[in-house]
Amino acid sequence: GDSVTQMEGPVTLSEEAFLTINCTYTATGYPSLFWYVQYPGEGLQLLLKATKADDKGSNKGFEATYRKETTSFHLEKGSVQVSDSAVYFCALSDPFNSGGSNYKLTFGKGTLLTVNP
Amino acid sequence: EAQVTQNPRYLITVTGKKLTVTCSQNMNHEYMSWYRQDPGLGLRQIYYSMNVEVTDKGDVPEGYKVSRKEKRNFPLILESPSPNQTSLYFCASRRTQRNEQFFGPGTRLTVL
Repeated sequence: GDSVTQMEGPVTLSEEAFLTINCTYTATGYPSLFWYVQYPGEGLQLLLKATKADDKGSNKGFEATYRKETTSFHLEKGSVQVSDSAVYFCALSDPFNSGGSNYKLTFGKGTLLTVNP
Repeated sequence: EAQVTQNPRYLITVTGKKLTVTCSQNMNHEYMSWYRQDPGLGLRQIYYSMNVEVTDKGDVPEGYKVSRKEKRNFPLILESPSPNQTSLYFCASRRTQRNEQFFGPGTRLTVL
């Protein structure tokens, strides 16, 4: 079945540091890829997405590129802020693997990011 | 405001006492789903619904029931909760034609 493997945390950075959180996936079909963010005490928010190879998703200074050849979707940000402290989840949606009737998201285990001032 | 709401947000209960967690969305979404989040496991799908009166099992359905009598509501029912159902639960919804799921704020359930 489908699976998502992302960098184990926690990750601790200083403000303005460069961030990379690695994410690789295994899928039967041609999935859409997502990064979700969970701020403390809140639900999940979609951060960015990409639906086909070489697409780049971007939002709030974060970027990730859909790399089909390496089955990867790494999250990057050039200069993190204290307000970026959260748990980040990489996820995929692969309707092919669920008979086209389920838009299930398959999640990685999450990466806790802490940014210190 | 477009949103997914869940109630209650926090619940402590005892083994065997039936409970219902409600989920409601105001975006007229066809698809709704329940996930549970456990440390080290990420989120796993419990049940989903493609539309009214259409529901099906996800990856971890044991011990749960759902119903979809109205488009906006998708309650999660635990008939006889057990301690291994202690978890953080999220409801989600999306339009069939769109590729983004919207999540509720979560319900933290503790079963003693």
